Amino acid sequence: SQQGEEDPQALSIQEGENATMNCSYKTSINNLQWYRQNSGRGLVHLILIRSNEREKHSGRLRVTLDTSKKSSSLLITASRAADTASYFCATDAPESSGDKLTFGTGTRLAVRP
Amino acid sequence: NAGVTQTPKFQVLKTGQSMTLQCAQDMNHNSMYWYRQDPGMGLRLIYYSASEGTTDKGEVPNGYNVSRLNKREFSLRLESAAPSQTSVYFCASSERAELEAFFGQGTRLTVV
Repeated sequence: SQQGEEDPQALSIQEGENATMNCSYKTSINNLQWYRQNSGRGLVHLILIRSNEREKHSGRLRVTLDTSKKSSSLLITASRAADTASYFCATDAPESSGDKLTFGTGTRLAVRP
Repeated sequence: NAGVTQTPKFQVLKTGQSMTLQCAQDMNHNSMYWYRQDPGMGLRLIYYSASEGTTDKGEVPNGYNVSRLNKREFSLRLESAAPSQTSVYFCASSERAELEAFFGQGTRLTVV
């Protein structure tokens, strides 16, 4: 089964509103990352938060991490129509054998103009 | 700087045919990955390679084989394609799993 689960599966908001999506994972991690995917394209890295960090900002993005609850959230402020995409969290898994990067199921965000 | 290059972009196979998906990266990354993406399933890891000469199974390895030909190239082979392997396949690379990964543009494979 996949390491990460995003919630909600789909989100529709008006331009200018904030969008919040959540990720839960199963095992301990070194870092948690968020990626964006425009329809039909490859994934693009947005932001990385280390396991010893609780919050990180990058432009209109704010990521929080709660390792005790094994969860993270991505907040996009003042959303734009161009933010319409799918968003995925990704984790490494140091307690598992190997050096692998696994993704959650994603949140589809639609921003209405 | 090309990043991660996948070929082909599109492919239609008949059931039972074989094919190899090619992936190359020019960033001198150690780790490379193959994922498949199906509607509603997110990305599922098929195989990965933490370094040249090593490969390991991911979540859904059945029906696939891989080769880490050198540090740059990581190929995915379907020996006998099945309709259940219809999907979009992505190759990715990173310096290590806990660092930023770079993705190719994907291969849309249809098995009829």
